[in-house]
Amino acid sequence: GQQVMQIPQYQHVQEGEDFTTYCNSSTTLSNIQWYKQRPGGHPVFLIQLVKSGEVKKQKRLTFQFGEAKKNSSLHITATQTTDVGTYFCAGAGTASKLTFGTGTRLQVTL
Amino acid sequence: DAGITQSPRHKVTETGTPVTLRCHQTENHRYMYWYRQDPGHGLRLIHYSYGVKDTDKGEVSDGYSVSRSKTEDFLLTLESATSSQTSVYFCAISESMASGAPYEQYFGPGTRLTVT
Repeated sequence: GQQVMQIPQYQHVQEGEDFTTYCNSSTTLSNIQWYKQRPGGHPVFLIQLVKSGEVKKQKRLTFQFGEAKKNSSLHITATQTTDVGTYFCAGAGTASKLTFGTGTRLQVTL
Repeated sequence: DAGITQSPRHKVTETGTPVTLRCHQTENHRYMYWYRQDPGHGLRLIHYSYGVKDTDKGEVSDGYSVSRSKTEDFLLTLESATSSQTSVYFCAISESMASGAPYEQYFGPGTRLTVT
């Protein structure tokens, strides 16, 4: 079945540093979605990428979808303590379900 | 937040007992999902539903059954709970594109289940 790998598992940065998490799928995806989960909370949808090579920005967050539609990345510029949480990518094939990556836990300290 | 509630929010039960978790939505979304979340494994799909009485298995469906008799309710049942089913369970809802690929999913607050 479809597998989605995400690296790193954990990253600790100082406030103001940049952060990147990478997502790789074993199969071509129809779209990829990104979610954020704060400690003790539930996953919250951030963004969806559909087109090959697509790049989207949300303030300090930049999302990319690879040309082959098998990989994606999330980059945060100048992290803030409010960015703390676990970031998940989730890949969609042709069925109406998502395969989630294992997540990257981000810790930000002052 | 989307109108999704889960009940109970916390439950402790003994091995071998049946357990039912409920997910209720007020958004009239067609698709509903049950996931479990465990450290190191992310979110894994247990079962999902694409309409009333229409369900399908996910990647970790063994030991779980589901039912959806109304659009707004999706029940997850552990017929005989085991310690390996100790986890946090999330329900999610979504719509889908014409291609069948899912739109974004909205998650409920989760149920923390402990099987002793």
